[in-house]
Amino acid sequence: QKEVEQDPGPLSVPEGAIVSLNCTYSNSAFQYFMWYRQYSRKGPELLMYTYSSGNKEDGRFTAQVDKSSKYISLFIRDSQPSDSATYLCAMIGPAGGTSYGKLTFGQGTILTVHP
Amino acid sequence: DGGITQSPKYLFRKEGQNVTLSCEQNLNHDAMYWYRQDPGQGLRLIYYSQIVNDFQKGDIAEGYSVSREKKESFPLTVTSAQKNPTAFYLCASSKAIRNQPQHFGDGTRLSIL
Repeated sequence: QKEVEQDPGPLSVPEGAIVSLNCTYSNSAFQYFMWYRQYSRKGPELLMYTYSSGNKEDGRFTAQVDKSSKYISLFIRDSQPSDSATYLCAMIGPAGGTSYGKLTFGQGTILTVHP
Repeated sequence: DGGITQSPKYLFRKEGQNVTLSCEQNLNHDAMYWYRQDPGQGLRLIYYSQIVNDFQKGDIAEGYSVSREKKESFPLTVTSAQKNPTAFYLCASSKAIRNQPQHFGDGTRLSIL
């Protein structure tokens, strides 16, 4: 079983729709959670960085963390064609001893928003 | 503008040849990383460096080498020992090695001639 599971999609939605992207994880030691957006032939761009359970909002984006269920989500409101990209969740484990708290990525979800 | 610059954007390797991918950052970050991205496999860590003159193997270091002589630079060499080098290579950096988000460059696509 992978430490982080993410539905690869593809996900296709009409412009203006609310998009929900999700990841589940098995390691309860994960402490920090990130969402990245990656356009084709580009590097991942950091969208959201959260620590605690609950919601964090930034413009049209809301990141939700539920540590008790080991589940994180990214919501995109009023989706636009420019949101079409691959979305990657990532998590940092605990640092201690020889472990620096490696970043573990999900597989990525391909999203297409059509006009 | 601060950021991470990777060059070249595209690179071709002949059989038996070593090639070096460049990564430069002007974010004043201490930690730097190299990842390999293959379709359907996500990002896999090759090497990372906490500080100048220090680096550690990641999950798939075989066939790769790195150096960290300057804070700003972390070049990756893909050696002839790497039998399947065709991939998208991403360099990243973070303020510190622990509990910090990583910021990425725009990658180098390496192909075999």
